[in-house]
Amino acid sequence: SQQGEEDPQALSIQEGENATMNCSYKTSINNLQWYRQNSGRGLVHLILIRSNEREKHSGRLRVTLDTSKKSSSLLITASRAADTASYFCATRNYGQNFVFGPGTRLSVLP
Amino acid sequence: NAGVTQTPKFRVLKTGQSMTLLCAQDMNHEYMYWYRQDPGMGLRLIHYSVGEGTTAKGEVPDGYNVSRLKKQNFLLGLESAAPSQTSVYFCASSYAQPYEQYFGPGTRLTVT
Repeated sequence: SQQGEEDPQALSIQEGENATMNCSYKTSINNLQWYRQNSGRGLVHLILIRSNEREKHSGRLRVTLDTSKKSSSLLITASRAADTASYFCATRNYGQNFVFGPGTRLSVLP
Repeated sequence: NAGVTQTPKFRVLKTGQSMTLLCAQDMNHEYMYWYRQDPGMGLRLIHYSVGEGTTAKGEVPDGYNVSRLKKQNFLLGLESAAPSQTSVYFCASSYAQPYEQYFGPGTRLTVT
């Protein structure tokens, strides 16, 4: 069963713009992670946010978590062509494995 | 450190053939995972292991078997390949269940 669902499915922006992706989930979680996947490669971990946290930053990345709305967002500021990739959220409830969403395909145009 | 490596990178099988995918990690992680990735469906967990000598079923275990004889290695076997098993297979490892996962580069398998 799929827990997290990213939105939009695909996003195209110009270099320098900000990109926002959302993840909605159905049941309670205790943490949520965001991963990036470049074409033909494995996934790379970006950020982990716990259910008692509301916001985390890492460089140009900002992740928010709203447990009342069962949603998270990933913001990439000042995007670069190298940010072109698919982005996945993975959600986990206590004692369970992470479940990955279908991803958002981000294209950053030069 | 090599991180997580997978062998082979590509493979083509005929229906009914068998094969084993090898995953190796050099980070001394307890947890290892096998996923498959199909277009539009994200990653689905096939089997996982919480330590040497242990294995457990994930979301889509049918048609696959696994073994974890050594802590650093996690093998995924297909006993009788079917076209529905055409996919990209990823191995991952983590220090513990709630922690970040480190992924290998993937194995692209085609079953004809």
